[in-house]
Amino acid sequence: DVKVTQSSRYLVKRTGEKVFLECVQDMDHENMFWYRQDPGLGLRLIYFSYDVKMKEKGDIPEGYSVSREKKERFSLILESASTNQTSMYLCASSLGTGPSGDIQYFGAGTRLSVL
Amino acid sequence: EDQVTQSPEALRLQEGESSSLNCSYTVSGLRGLFWYRQDPGKGPEFLFTLYSAGEEKEKERLKATLTKKESFLHITAPKPEDSATYLCAVQPGGFQKLVFGTGTRLLVSP
Repeated sequence: DVKVTQSSRYLVKRTGEKVFLECVQDMDHENMFWYRQDPGLGLRLIYFSYDVKMKEKGDIPEGYSVSREKKERFSLILESASTNQTSMYLCASSLGTGPSGDIQYFGAGTRLSVL
Repeated sequence: EDQVTQSPEALRLQEGESSSLNCSYTVSGLRGLFWYRQDPGKGPEFLFTLYSAGEEKEKERLKATLTKKESFLHITAPKPEDSATYLCAVQPGGFQKLVFGTGTRLLVSP
């Protein structure tokens, strides 16, 4: 089974702090994604990566950056956390090739509160 | 603009009472349509992928169908353990990203 692991289930941070959210997948997937999920807005794509050190902006990249130094690890960085970044953050990965290559597998999520 | 609309927002059923969830979409060249199940406090869990109009897939009490404008998730004789939020997503042609709807919250009462 595909396993996507997010390092924290819950985080509480102060406004202005630099925040790192970590995600690791164990299935040698090419693609990795970061979403945020808010009530009434659904899942929105922040950034994704299709290869090591390659990244693409999603629909709401402002205030975020990402890092992918190794294939299995994809980090989301909040450079200076703000209260409007309080949300559930979900990491996903997909194989990228083959008949099931587009299926995204999700981690359990990190609920971030910025005070 | 690629868009997904799910209805109803919430649905309450009695155990054994069959029903359908709707996912309407507009997308530039559909590469695939995905259904996920999400339990409270957890990440979405993959259910089905549909690629072309007329395609159907089944898993236990769930059956997903696809037309050129919408998809349905049919739930036959649901049980309380089917209670969850069901998410629909489309993948535009040429892209790896998914565009999600806001989901349907299903509650099945015993």
